[in-house]
Amino acid sequence: GIQVEQSPPDLILQEGANSTLRCNFSDSVNNLQWFHQNPWGQLINLFYIPSGTKQNGRLSATTVATERYSLLYISSSQTTDSGVYFCAVKEVRRGGADGLTFGKGTHLIIQP
Amino acid sequence: EPEVTQTPSHQVTQMGQEVILRCVPISNHLYFYWYRQILGQKVEFLVSFYNNEISEKSEIFDDQFSVERPDGSNFTLKIRSTKLEDSAMYFCASKRGTTETQYFGPGTRLLVL
Repeated sequence: GIQVEQSPPDLILQEGANSTLRCNFSDSVNNLQWFHQNPWGQLINLFYIPSGTKQNGRLSATTVATERYSLLYISSSQTTDSGVYFCAVKEVRRGGADGLTFGKGTHLIIQP
Repeated sequence: EPEVTQTPSHQVTQMGQEVILRCVPISNHLYFYWYRQILGQKVEFLVSFYNNEISEKSEIFDDQFSVERPDGSNFTLKIRSTKLEDSAMYFCASKRGTTETQYFGPGTRLLVL
């Protein structure tokens, strides 16, 4: 099956800093989502971005499908941004109803 | 904004007991999913359900698991005889179309003793 690699695995930053999280995948995808898992375990949808660039406030994401990677940018970090960020994908060759494959996540800690 | 809901939020059970986890997907969605996350690990796909049948299942989804959509709103995951290693957070998800966002519920934290 598809391999999803996220980097870095851990990231500690001061409040106000910017960060870039990366997701590499080993096959062509037609579904890519970024999630934030908060300290209560909830998975919060950030972006549905199988290709192109999107922005939502301080967060933005870019997926370069031809080169098989996606980037999540967080600007002016706040302590509430802490948590685990997951990238999840579905390969083109699998059916439209099929499930997502998740990476292991990036654990982000924002210190005040 | 419509949300996926799950009940219960927490469940503790004895090994060998049956558990049923319940989900109410977003009302106009057609595709339904269960995932699990063992503590400290990544989220793993279990099963997808479309048009009243399973469309895909992972190796984790063995004979002790089953899913059902008993009416027009609920989607359930049954574990027939729980094992210690079934302890995990179980997430339900749904989406409207094939190339659309999957929305996840808040999860059910299952602890098997």
